[in-house]
Amino acid sequence: GAVVSQHPSWVICKSGTSVKIECRSLDFQATTMFWYRQFPKQSLMLMATSNEGSKATYEQGVEKDKFLINHASLTLSTLTVTSAHPEDSSFYICSASTGTGLGTEAFFGQGTRLTVV
Amino acid sequence: AQTVTQSQPEMSVQEAETVTLSCTYDTSESDYYLFWYKQPPSRQMILVIRQEAYKQQNATENRFSVNFQKAAKSFSLKISDSQLGDAAMYFCAYKSSGTYKYIFGTGTRLKVLA
Repeated sequence: GAVVSQHPSWVICKSGTSVKIECRSLDFQATTMFWYRQFPKQSLMLMATSNEGSKATYEQGVEKDKFLINHASLTLSTLTVTSAHPEDSSFYICSASTGTGLGTEAFFGQGTRLTVV
Repeated sequence: AQTVTQSQPEMSVQEAETVTLSCTYDTSESDYYLFWYKQPPSRQMILVIRQEAYKQQNATENRFSVNFQKAAKSFSLKISDSQLGDAAMYFCAYKSSGTYKYIFGTGTRLKVLA
């Protein structure tokens, strides 16, 4: 199956600094990427949807100035957590698909555990 | 708005036995996709099985099968001949035909007992 690589797998940063998480589709062109946040023992909550070359669409309640998403190419999307605070500590997961059609499958990265100290 | 409900936070099954995980959803859409994803301790989400709402036949993938009841808005996952490697968190997910977004349930943690 298609492979989505997320980097880094885990990161610890100091409060107030910014952290960038990369999501790459290794063997297919991802026109659409999704970013999720998963709290411990909870479900995946969609943060935003990004289409290559377009601005990301954020879900209600997600601060777009805090969670910057860039989808500059068909194989790479990045999520930057700006001025991170301890409450931003979480597990972040990306998924990528070849489109937004109902039948298109989304493939998930392995996730990034962010800890802000 | 669509919702997905998994009422079983945790389930246990003996190795080689069969277990069924429940999922119900609410929607006003007539076409959509339903999925079961497995999240093992590695946290990598793995697609187990998927079902298109317009298909009446229940999807099957080896030891995994679903019981899709569209009128009842129910989508349960049956795992036959359970194996230790099946132990994981299982998420039921709905894909909207309107927004193409995935909506996940809260998950069911499956324990497989040797």
